[in-house]
Amino acid sequence: ETGVTQTPRHLVMGMTNKKSLKCEQHLGHNAMYWYKQSAKKPLELMFVYNFKEQTENNSVPSRFSPECPNSSHLFLHLHTLQPEDSALYLCASSQDPGTDNEQFFGPGTRLTVL
Amino acid sequence: TQLLEQSPQFLSIQEGENLTVYCNSSSVFSSLQWYRQEPGEGPVLLVTVVTGGEVKKLKRLTFQFGDARKDSSLHITAAQPGDTGLYLCAGGGYNFNKFYFGSGTKLNVKP
Repeated sequence: ETGVTQTPRHLVMGMTNKKSLKCEQHLGHNAMYWYKQSAKKPLELMFVYNFKEQTENNSVPSRFSPECPNSSHLFLHLHTLQPEDSALYLCASSQDPGTDNEQFFGPGTRLTVL
Repeated sequence: TQLLEQSPQFLSIQEGENLTVYCNSSSVFSSLQWYRQEPGEGPVLLVTVVTGGEVKKLKRLTFQFGDARKDSSLHITAAQPGDTGLYLCAGGGYNFNKFYFGSGTKLNVKP
């Protein structure tokens, strides 16, 4: 138990569906992250939020839309995804966004796009 | 090309054997982290190294940061089945405002 929870753990969706991934951290951290983990590829940073403000968008397609209503919750809204978007989506948090800070990861959502 | 190259990609060994995993880059990092990820879970931080030439020990795991701060190694002594997992290195700092992860080494320790 890392203090970061993600729901759902598994999601299967069609290309025309709209769904949302949820992340919650109970650590009092200020920074939250979305990562994508695909087979045979390094962990890819997607978005960074610091105090609810987006500070990094790593050239992510607009079919992925993040939302951070407060520093404890982070959402990833999905619409019109492609099969190549199938991957493990990991949420993480850290005290601050600096690279010397430990990141605490959630267990991930395994997404399959049909 | 990836910023951080990890080798080997896969490693399958018998319980009790020793092993070393490498993380190499042509870039300099202010810090480097090692994570272990077990199936169905997110990565968990094992160690952070910040000083060139630094060696850190965590029970049977020994981590080393290269003198030039471009590479790191993880050595496991007398591996156990519980060491099975994906080992990831991540570098950050200096010219980077975020962590870059290597593609990982998948370790399987057979009883």
